[in-house]
Amino acid sequence: QQQVKQSPQSLIVQKGGISIINCAYENTAFDYFPWYQQFPGKGPALLIAIRPDVSEKKEGRFTISFNKSAKQFSLHIMDSQPGDSATYFCAASAMNRDDKIIFGKGTRLHILP
Amino acid sequence: GAGVSQSPRYKVAKRGQDVALRCDPISGHVSLFWYQQALGQGPEFLTYFQNEAQLDKSGLPSDRFFAERPEGSVSTLKIQRTQQEDSAVYLCASSLTRGHGYTFGSGTRLTVV
Repeated sequence: QQQVKQSPQSLIVQKGGISIINCAYENTAFDYFPWYQQFPGKGPALLIAIRPDVSEKKEGRFTISFNKSAKQFSLHIMDSQPGDSATYFCAASAMNRDDKIIFGKGTRLHILP
Repeated sequence: GAGVSQSPRYKVAKRGQDVALRCDPISGHVSLFWYQQALGQGPEFLTYFQNEAQLDKSGLPSDRFFAERPEGSVSTLKIQRTQQEDSAVYLCASSLTRGHGYTFGSGTRLTVV
């Protein structure tokens, strides 16, 4: 059973456009929802994270929207740039129980110059 | 060091050979995690240490996989009698303590031939 479902699998966006990646989760014990960015040959790097007591978090061009009742959250990248081309992973963890982070399968994002 | 360091970066092993993968976490980080990332997939949890104690090894795929962190800093993931299905990138991550985000290393790419 996949605990964190991510879509789309791949995404192509024009430079300056908005990139949107969606995730859904099953386990209501999850209380921490990070997004990771991974470039080829590198480990994932924490981009932005949210806890379920807020519905939105913004850091620069990156925004997480969180819908607790629907058990869904999404990443929006505004003014997408070619340097944003990478694989993005949503993830979830029950921080009040353990630190194990469950990752989605990833979205390969390509920004056209 | 400034980041999580993993060695070797690449390892080619003949089927049946034993391998040892090393992780140097960020100095002072209490929590250490091992993840396995198959090609085109998200990282999957293997095991978790808090200091020298292995608190969760539920993700280890078989008894051929063994991890240790004897002094609460450097960790080694050992795979005995490697099989082709063990081919993957093995990622190590550390965090200061529970509830903090992970920092990942760049991983060790293991290829079993």
